[in-house]
Amino acid sequence: NAGVMQNPRHLVRRRGQEARLRCSPMKGHSHVYWYRQLPEEGLKFMVYLQKENIIDESGMPKERFSAEFPKEGPSILRIQQVVRGDSAAYFCASSLSGTDLYEQYFGPGTRLTVT
Amino acid sequence: GEDVEQSLFLSVREGDSSVINCTYTDSSSTYLYWYKQEPGAGLQLLTYIFSNMDMKQDQRLTVLLNKKDKHLSLRIADTQTGDSAIYFCAETDSSASKIIFGSGTRLSIRP
Repeated sequence: NAGVMQNPRHLVRRRGQEARLRCSPMKGHSHVYWYRQLPEEGLKFMVYLQKENIIDESGMPKERFSAEFPKEGPSILRIQQVVRGDSAAYFCASSLSGTDLYEQYFGPGTRLTVT
Repeated sequence: GEDVEQSLFLSVREGDSSVINCTYTDSSSTYLYWYKQEPGAGLQLLTYIFSNMDMKQDQRLTVLLNKKDKHLSLRIADTQTGDSAIYFCAETDSSASKIIFGSGTRLSIRP
């Protein structure tokens, strides 16, 4: 049973380009969470999605960032017109239920570097 | 708002016990967690405790919760070099829709 998968593991983008980060939840999980970890900091919640719905996006920056979790396929975190401050590790987690957060499993992360 | 705080660094001698402390602000927290992150890796859930418990033990790990003081600790007995990592304290927020993380404690082991 594969765990949460994220790709790419490392992504380098120039300022102004778009970054697309993908997350495939564990089999059977329909709840996905995105977190961002800036260097030397803890993880900060960004967005919580269920299939085709955004449940909580209180941690998402107002501009340039968007997330989706379509009926088929992985969840996508999109960052448009990246800036140096977007350089961070982006972690995805998934759970079977939205209430049992202790069952939230994390992926290995995508490390985004903006040059 | 919710906040989780922990000290940034801890150094212990191999074989000794490590105690990592954490304080949190949300009195309605449902679960409190300890995660481990090794360099360049994702997060591994070490253990969690329900807010109505005082203590949980799992092999070398002991979690103590003082709900009155909003203080959580993780004790690692017989610390080994493989325990070198960053340890994150975390809690669920009052809506139980997301996990709030501390900044992490970097544990280093001296020979």
